[in-house]
Amino acid sequence: SQQGEEDPQALSIQEGENATMNCSYKTSINNLQWYRQNSGRGLVHLILIRSNEREKHSGRLRVTLDTSKKSSSLLITASRAADTASYFCATELPFSSGSARQLTFGSGTQLTVLP
Amino acid sequence: EAQVTQNPRYLITVTGKKLTVTCSQNMNHEYMSWYRQDPGLGLRQIYYSMNVEVTDKGDVPEGYKVSRKEKRNFPLILESPSPNQTSLYFCASRQLAGMAGRTDTQYFGPGTRLTVL
Repeated sequence: SQQGEEDPQALSIQEGENATMNCSYKTSINNLQWYRQNSGRGLVHLILIRSNEREKHSGRLRVTLDTSKKSSSLLITASRAADTASYFCATELPFSSGSARQLTFGSGTQLTVLP
Repeated sequence: EAQVTQNPRYLITVTGKKLTVTCSQNMNHEYMSWYRQDPGLGLRQIYYSMNVEVTDKGDVPEGYKVSRKEKRNFPLILESPSPNQTSLYFCASRQLAGMAGRTDTQYFGPGTRLTVL
C-alpha cells in the first residue's frame, strides 16, 4: 500500500505565483524526500528532510515536515514555466523497524505553471 | 558523470517472449531498485538489492526476476511477459550510508517504456 499521498493531484498556477503541494503518510519515517519528474522521464531528487528536522530550504524550494500530523509540504516560490512537472514525495521507514531501506512513493502532484 | 543507464529505452514485444532490461550505475552504490510507474498509481517497487548476490522482493514482484552478479549491474528479467506488464520502468540506485538512520539520495535512470501486445 502507498505510504505517501500527495495533495492536490493537479495544480495549475500562473508564472510568478507560489505553488504548495502536500504529502501525508501513515507510519513513522526515517526521512521524507521530494522528487520531480518531467513528462515520461526519470525522477530527479529535489530535497530530503529527516524525521528530526522541521524545515529545509534549497533555492526556491522550502520543505516542512510535521511528524505529529504525519505530513509534509513542498513550497516552490516564484514559479516558472520550467517548473511544470510531476512532484512526488517518498518516505523511508525507520532503520529500527527492520525496513529494507525501501522508498515508498505517492502518486504525485501534477504542477502546471502557465506563462 | 554520475548516472544510471537503462536499455532499451523503448520496447514493444509480444506475450510470452522473454526479455531483459539492463541497468547499470557508475557510482559504486550498494542499493539498487526497480520500479514500475502506472497512471494514478505512482511508483511501485518491484525488486531491490542491497548488495551483490543480495536481492529481495518489493511490493509488486510477480512476473519479474532480477540478478545482482556485479555491483554496477541490476538487470530486470521478464520470463513470460503479459499485457499487464505494459508500463514505464525505472531503475534506481543509492549509497547506503554506514550509520543506521542515515541515507543518501536516490538516482534514477531515464526509464524504459515497455509495451506487451
